Amino acid sequence: SAVISQKPSRDICQRGTSLTIQCQVDSQVTMMFWYRQQPGQSLTLIATANQGSEATYESGFVIDKFPISRPNLTFSTLTVSNMSPEDSSIYLCSVAGTGFGNTEAFFGQGTRLTVV
Amino acid sequence: SQKIEQNSEALNIQEGKTATLTCNYTNYSPAYLQWYRQDPGRGPVFLLLIRENEKEKRKERLKVTFDTTLKQSLFHITASQPADSATYLCALDISGGYNKLIFGAGTRLAVHP
Repeated sequence: SAVISQKPSRDICQRGTSLTIQCQVDSQVTMMFWYRQQPGQSLTLIATANQGSEATYESGFVIDKFPISRPNLTFSTLTVSNMSPEDSSIYLCSVAGTGFGNTEAFFGQGTRLTVV
Repeated sequence: SQKIEQNSEALNIQEGKTATLTCNYTNYSPAYLQWYRQDPGRGPVFLLLIRENEKEKRKERLKVTFDTTLKQSLFHITASQPADSATYLCALDISGGYNKLIFGAGTRLAVHP
């Protein structure tokens, strides 16, 4: 199993500012994933973060808006840039269990972001 | 692209009854499908994984079926309890095994005493 810690757990931010969310895993993992969950909606994948390479973004998400760092195998950050109220969501990081194609995904508790 | 459909309406049942939740997907059949539970303010928690060559999987009071012909998975909770009240999410891997998941909208289950 993997234990994931996210910081901050929640924040209220002014529009136009940026927030960096941190994700720490208690074991080394190859791939980390960042998801967004808008109010009342399911999870939408933002990007995949691999250590040592640029993050891969899903359709509708761009690096300028959601820059991601992956400095080592246990840590990643997601920045929400130039925020607007539409960015108010829960942001979650996730890792896959060990074993290819055979295991569960583990999630952090999420960061609840409110943009005012 | 692959899409997942879950009944977005809340499911209300009486304690002790069996809850049945549906997950339908379009396009190609995935190698496996997963079910997660999400409580308010928390990240999803893994419940069960079923592979394409498995018709049924059980874990305690939980049962999942996988019909690749119908492109459907059913999730059952038997002898339901109020503590089972949560949102249940169906998820598919779109990365060929690296757990890059897409999720359905989830079905909210409410079990009443």
